[in-house]
Amino acid sequence: SQTIHQWPATLVQPVGSPLSLECTVEGTSNPNLYWYRQAAGRGLQLLFYSVGIGQISSEVPQNLSASRPQDRQFILSSKKLLLSDSGFYLCAWSVPLTSGLTDTQYFGPGTRLTVL
Amino acid sequence: EDKVVQSPLSLVVHEGDTVTLNCSYEVTNFRSLLWYKQEKKAPTFLFMLTSSGIEKKSGRLSSILDKKELFSILNITATQTGDSAIYLCAAPSRTSGSRLTFGEGTQLTVNP
Repeated sequence: SQTIHQWPATLVQPVGSPLSLECTVEGTSNPNLYWYRQAAGRGLQLLFYSVGIGQISSEVPQNLSASRPQDRQFILSSKKLLLSDSGFYLCAWSVPLTSGLTDTQYFGPGTRLTVL
Repeated sequence: EDKVVQSPLSLVVHEGDTVTLNCSYEVTNFRSLLWYKQEKKAPTFLFMLTSSGIEKKSGRLSSILDKKELFSILNITATQTGDSAIYLCAAPSRTSGSRLTFGEGTQLTVNP
């Protein structure tokens, strides 16, 4: 069966420091991968998604970047954190389906980031 | 721009009550709507709805889609404290089934 891991679970970082959050998926090949941010326990905002190694689509302009160095690894980074980067970061994966169908996305446990 | 709106934003009920959560959407080239439950960390998948009028059911939870009026409801009967969670609905964007637009969520609290 497939599993998705995220780490760290919680992180407290000072403003201006760098960030690296990691997500890995097991039990599947060539998944679609996603990074979301959730503020104050509300809706999820899609930040990045990837359909393959080195292929990243950015959904919103921001202080963050993403990379996919391996098929089942997705990394969220920042060179200098802002206060507004605080939030709950969720990674998700899905099995790519043919055009016109909807992938069901499955989420990791999340990383709670506090920028002070 | 695709939009998904949920109501109410929060709801407090007693155990045993029945609740109805609402999700309306404005999505070009609509194809499906998804419901998730989020307790503390990862949202977990509940339902995917693609056809109008066909109820999906899992235990005490059920959901139905109305493609004419552009909304979906999630019903929970005989609520339990374990149903306390944020319930999220989402729809894929017009350009890709992989990109989901989420609503703000409904925070459901079930008191004993």
